[in-house]
Amino acid sequence: QVQLQESGPGLVKPSQTLSLTCTVSGGSISSGSFYWSWIRQPAGKGLEWIGHFYTSGSTNYNPSLKSRVTISVDTSKSQFSLKLSSVTAADTAVYYCARQYAVFGARKSPAWFDPWGQGTLVAVSS
Amino acid sequence: EIVLTQSPGTLSLSPGERVTLSCRASQSVSSSYLAWYQQKPGQAPRLLIYGASSRATDIPDRFSGSGSGTDFTLTISGLEPEDFAVYYCQQYGSSPCTFGQGTKLEIK
Repeated sequence: QVQLQESGPGLVKPSQTLSLTCTVSGGSISSGSFYWSWIRQPAGKGLEWIGHFYTSGSTNYNPSLKSRVTISVDTSKSQFSLKLSSVTAADTAVYYCARQYAVFGARKSPAWFDPWGQGTLVAVSS
Repeated sequence: EIVLTQSPGTLSLSPGERVTLSCRASQSVSSSYLAWYQQKPGQAPRLLIYGASSRATDIPDRFSGSGSGTDFTLTISGLEPEDFAVYYCQQYGSSPCTFGQGTKLEIK
């Protein structure tokens, strides 16, 4: 079965760029049936979708973060990555990567998340 | 973006009880594109329901989802000790997809 694992620094200084990688095993990251997403969760709070990429090469980001987010993919390593620039303390959160199903109605669109990685805590602090 | 409001914020219940959790959307969720997740402390969310009423793989049939438009519910018919957790709804009918703030089920 597909498994996802986040990796990256647990501490980032304010104004710097947060960089995380998600490694996918047990399945192809090139499958046309899925998007590959990043989601975050500040301590004690709810979930926020950050963005995703699709195997066509297209990406889509949450408008609230769009100016600071880049998601890229390395299919040869079965990895996709998140970069979030100009971080502040408000970006401190557990960051999850997840496979996002696609639904094919009138058009293809991203849907629910399953499975998720275990999450990695990133703190923004000097 | 669509705002999802979950109620109540916290529920104190006993094992064996039946519970219904509510998720209300600020505007209609197209095609009942709504999912439910369970999250336990220190763990990632786990998918329970998608398409408002379809159970995910290996999810016990005591979990059921219903609803359409702006009002959705998750029902657990007979709480097991392992069901005490936080539950989130998520809509994917409109971009960006959004999550509710969660309902915490705690043991009474």
